[in-house]
Amino acid sequence: EIVLTQSPGTLSLSPGERATLSCRASQSVNDNYLAWYQQKPGQAPRLLIYGASSRATGMPDRFSGSGSGTDFTLTISRLEPEDFAVYHCQQYGRSPHTFGQGTKLEIK
Amino acid sequence: QITLKESGPTLVKPTQTLTLTCTFSGFSLSTAGVGVGWIRQPPGKSLEYLALIYWEDDKRYNPSLKSRLTITKDTSKNQVVLTMTNMDPVDTATYYCANIAAAHFWSPWGQGTLVTVSS
Repeated sequence: EIVLTQSPGTLSLSPGERATLSCRASQSVNDNYLAWYQQKPGQAPRLLIYGASSRATGMPDRFSGSGSGTDFTLTISRLEPEDFAVYHCQQYGRSPHTFGQGTKLEIK
Repeated sequence: QITLKESGPTLVKPTQTLTLTCTFSGFSLSTAGVGVGWIRQPPGKSLEYLALIYWEDDKRYNPSLKSRLTITKDTSKNQVVLTMTNMDPVDTATYYCANIAAAHFWSPWGQGTLVTVSS
């Protein structure tokens, strides 16, 4: 099973700042099948990025994903108030499709 | 537009079997490459993959829960059913189902259903 480790656990930033979230895999992720989800309180996760770097339909271009192999990054270029949430990474290249433990992005 | 909705009991007793149904629209589980997956999230904790089923009836389970899980599909009803046996209070969580696209990513997700395990 591929273990995903997200860092940091909590990130405190202000609106307008740049956010960089990390997701590290214990083994190489097949075909870079790595997704990022945003989850707000009381809501289901929503797909942001798939294939490590492809933005999901309707996602603002301030969200970008990068990386390959075992190291992946989600970058939010300029934080908007609605971006403060929990972010999860998931690998779906090898069964079981595992998730990271999440990064909480909070307002500083 | 693809939508999914989870349904089932909100409260189950320890040792009972949980049966959850995911009813979906906007896609067919007879289409090549498509699947439906289940995930859960205990209160305040992270997401945990449970199981998935593909259009050709290929089934995959979380190895740590495999002995307790069964996933089935009813293509004619646009439903996927997940059963989990021998429920325990640690199984208290919000249970989600999600569409697995032909490109293999999971989206969209249902709204989730909170299941509490308590006597």
